Amino acid sequence: NAGVTQTPKFRVLKTGQSMTLLCAQDMNHEYMYWYRQDPGMGLRLIHYSVGEGTTAKGEVPDGYNVSRLKKQNFLLGLESAAPSQTSVYFCASSQWGIIYNEQFFGPGTRLTVL
Amino acid sequence: GQQLNQSPQSMFIQEGEDVSMNCTSSSIFNTWLWYKQDPGEGPVLLIALYKAGELTSNGRLTAQFGITRKDSFLNISASIPSDVGIYFCAGQGNSRASGTYKYIFGTGTRLKVLA
Repeated sequence: NAGVTQTPKFRVLKTGQSMTLLCAQDMNHEYMYWYRQDPGMGLRLIHYSVGEGTTAKGEVPDGYNVSRLKKQNFLLGLESAAPSQTSVYFCASSQWGIIYNEQFFGPGTRLTVL
Repeated sequence: GQQLNQSPQSMFIQEGEDVSMNCTSSSIFNTWLWYKQDPGEGPVLLIALYKAGELTSNGRLTAQFGITRKDSFLNISASIPSDVGIYFCAGQGNSRASGTYKYIFGTGTRLKVLA
């Protein structure tokens, strides 16, 4: 099993350009998440999904859109990139747990917006 | 948005020393979790705690769920160079029945171990 994979690993954009980050998981998890990680800010939730065809906003959703057309994939889109979106983006997935949800993370995508 | 405060933000320690870090919140959680992020990778779960006052160990790691349910502590004994990384706490307070979802990560503690 590959677990959670993310593409691309690195990307440089110019302000105003658009791009889509792809996340795929092969663990048949219901839940998927997109986070951004900035120095001193920890992991902040952008959007998440509790199942195929559903999405919900997280803590910092502005400037991002997501889609979950297939259970195993979760796409994060930036329609018009801004320098403030320079960050490392992590995708994660989990199964619902009665007691706790263990989130499994991908290796991250480092995005620079010039 | 709500954040969990971790302290210290960073620490340099000598190999063999014990390490302590904590995580505090203004609201209560049903579950506390601790993750570790190695350089260049995503976080990986270390320990999960789901009962107030609970003390749980995983090898050299020991974590405690605060009695108020608003804090948690992580201790690492006899640190080794591979302990280097960022440690994140996370609080989980979701309820599938009510449809609410709360899973919040802390700001992280960056650990560097000097050989």
